[in-house]
Amino acid sequence: GEDVEQSLFLSVREGDSSVINCTYTDSSSTYLYWYKQEPGAGLQLLTYIFSNMDMKQDQRLTVLLNKKDKHLSLRIADTQTGDSAIYFCAESRTGTASKLTFGTGTRLQVTL
Amino acid sequence: GAVVSQHPSWVICKSGTSVKIECRSLDFQATTMFWYRQFPKQSLMLMATSNEGSKATYEQGVEKDKFLINHASLTLSTLTVTSAHPEDSSFYICSASRGEGGNQPQHFGDGTRLSIL
Repeated sequence: GEDVEQSLFLSVREGDSSVINCTYTDSSSTYLYWYKQEPGAGLQLLTYIFSNMDMKQDQRLTVLLNKKDKHLSLRIADTQTGDSAIYFCAESRTGTASKLTFGTGTRLQVTL
Repeated sequence: GAVVSQHPSWVICKSGTSVKIECRSLDFQATTMFWYRQFPKQSLMLMATSNEGSKATYEQGVEKDKFLINHASLTLSTLTVTSAHPEDSSFYICSASRGEGGNQPQHFGDGTRLSIL
């Protein structure tokens, strides 16, 4: 079955760049997503990338996709304390309201 | 756009009580809604997928008689935890998707923390 893995924890200093990594096993993945979850809240969609793309940039966020290695990363430039949260990557096959398979989540801690 | 509202945000009740959680898409029509359960420090576990006007599809191991899902309109789905017990205490999150052609991401509510005493 599908499997999505992430490292559990990342600590960065305010102002530095953060890179959160994700690996997946399903070669049929069509869309890959990044969600942010703050304590006690739901998930906020940050960005997503279609599997035929290598990179997508949206303001401070850059998503890189290596389809051959099934590796996805999220880079946050100029990380702020407000970026402290849990970040989940997720994949789906068709993207048309299909099921998401979530990663284990990476807790990002931003220190002063 | 794509705002999903979930209510209530927190509920505490006695064992044996039934609890209803509402999930509304405020500014779009949601053909498909999803219900998740999240345990502390863990990822989301999909419980069921509901399409407007039809029966929900439950994931393996999820009791459909325990977790009743109704998706009566394109903007509202409800999850009722029947005869709740302490082991049902958890964080429940819904999501909604337009479900049309092309990529329609899931947009999530803020979750409901359920505590059964």
